[in-house]
Amino acid sequence: GAVVSQHPSWVICKSGTSVKIECRSLDFQATTMFWYRQFPKQSLMLMATSNEGSKATYEQGVEKDKFLINHASLTLSTLTVTSAHPEDSSFYICSAHRGTDTQYFGPGTRLTVL
Amino acid sequence: QQQVKQSPQSLIVQKGGISIINCAYENTAFDYFPWYQQFPGKGPALLIAIRPDVSEKKEGRFTISFNKSAKQFSLHIMDSQPGDSATYFCAASLTGTASKLTFGTGTRLQVTL
Repeated sequence: GAVVSQHPSWVICKSGTSVKIECRSLDFQATTMFWYRQFPKQSLMLMATSNEGSKATYEQGVEKDKFLINHASLTLSTLTVTSAHPEDSSFYICSAHRGTDTQYFGPGTRLTVL
Repeated sequence: QQQVKQSPQSLIVQKGGISIINCAYENTAFDYFPWYQQFPGKGPALLIAIRPDVSEKKEGRFTISFNKSAKQFSLHIMDSQPGDSATYFCAASLTGTASKLTFGTGTRLQVTL
């Protein structure tokens, strides 16, 4: 149990376009999901906390208009990178929080902006 | 207050040896300490976790040692195998809903033949 999926696993887009990444908890309901960004050989950086049915809470320094998060159901959260630029290229990882247990992470999405 | 310091940054261990990774935290309110294993290009996977009411937890070849007074905890990998070669992250959080994880900086472990 506690499987989290992400789609797509990798995406290449042109500068200025928007990209949507989906995060799904497959076998449990997640009232809270988290979005992280990870640069090569670095730790995970929390971008935002997403609660079902409410607005996401963004970490300091993360542009909410740049990284749109929607948590429409207990099993799905989406991250949209709007007007993507090369500096947005990164590995984006979501996690889902199950009850009082720890977070279970998705496999990640590699975004490359040309 | 929110930092979790992890060492070493990288570690090379021979097959069959013991790998030891250490973490120290500052926030005494933290009460949940998981370890994650991450392979290149993959998301982190929960390895083992401990709460401060116990000083040690063992699952197979993996053991967490916890020292509440020193605010330190460590991961021991016994009989290390080449398949254990990965990056390991310690983390800390407050339990309950929507608890955010504070991650360590990671340790790249290489197990040689």
